[in-house]
Amino acid sequence: GAVVSQHPSRVICKSGTSVKIECRSLDFQATTMFWYRQFPKQSLMLMATSNEGSKATYEQGVEKDKFLINHASLTLSTLTVTSAHPEDSSFYICSARGSAVLNTEAFFGQGTRLTVV
Amino acid sequence: DQQVKQNSPSLSVQEGRISILNCDYTNSMFDYFLWYKKYPAEGPTFLISISSIKDKNEDGRFTVFLNKSAKHLSLHIVPSQPGDSAVYFCAASGGSGDKLTFGTGTRLAVRP
Repeated sequence: GAVVSQHPSRVICKSGTSVKIECRSLDFQATTMFWYRQFPKQSLMLMATSNEGSKATYEQGVEKDKFLINHASLTLSTLTVTSAHPEDSSFYICSARGSAVLNTEAFFGQGTRLTVV
Repeated sequence: DQQVKQNSPSLSVQEGRISILNCDYTNSMFDYFLWYKKYPAEGPTFLISISSIKDKNEDGRFTVFLNKSAKHLSLHIVPSQPGDSAVYFCAASGGSGDKLTFGTGTRLAVRP
């Protein structure tokens, strides 16, 4: 299957600082990328959907000014957690779809464990 | 509002036997369903999918069944292997966008 690379896999940051997470599609062009957050023993909650070259669409309850998403190219999307706080500690996962055709399966990155201290 | 539900948080099965994981959905606009396998601290891995125009899709040891009238799908793994031990998520998409809505997951443990 297609490869999606997410970096870093783990990050620890101080409260009040910002953290950037990168998501790259290595062998296909990702027209749409999704960012998820997973709390312990819970489902993956969609945070936002981003299409290359346009603004991300955020799910209800997700602060767009706190979770900045950039999808500048067909192979790279970034999620920046601004002014991080301990409650932002979580497992963040990106996924990418390679076509504008509906129902194309999404491929996932390895996830990033963010710990804010 | 949980549109995709996996009511069994965990399942334990003997190696070699069949594992059946269930998933229910409420949104009648969903028309494409997927199963993902996830290990701790890793991203989900795609297993198998099914379109709403079908009621069964098979790939090796994995078979997904879809009952549209009951808004229910299930994943059958046979024979189950210890390496199948993981958390399994069902997901659905359709309607106004192509985003995936995930269930809460079922942790499968296959006993040797």
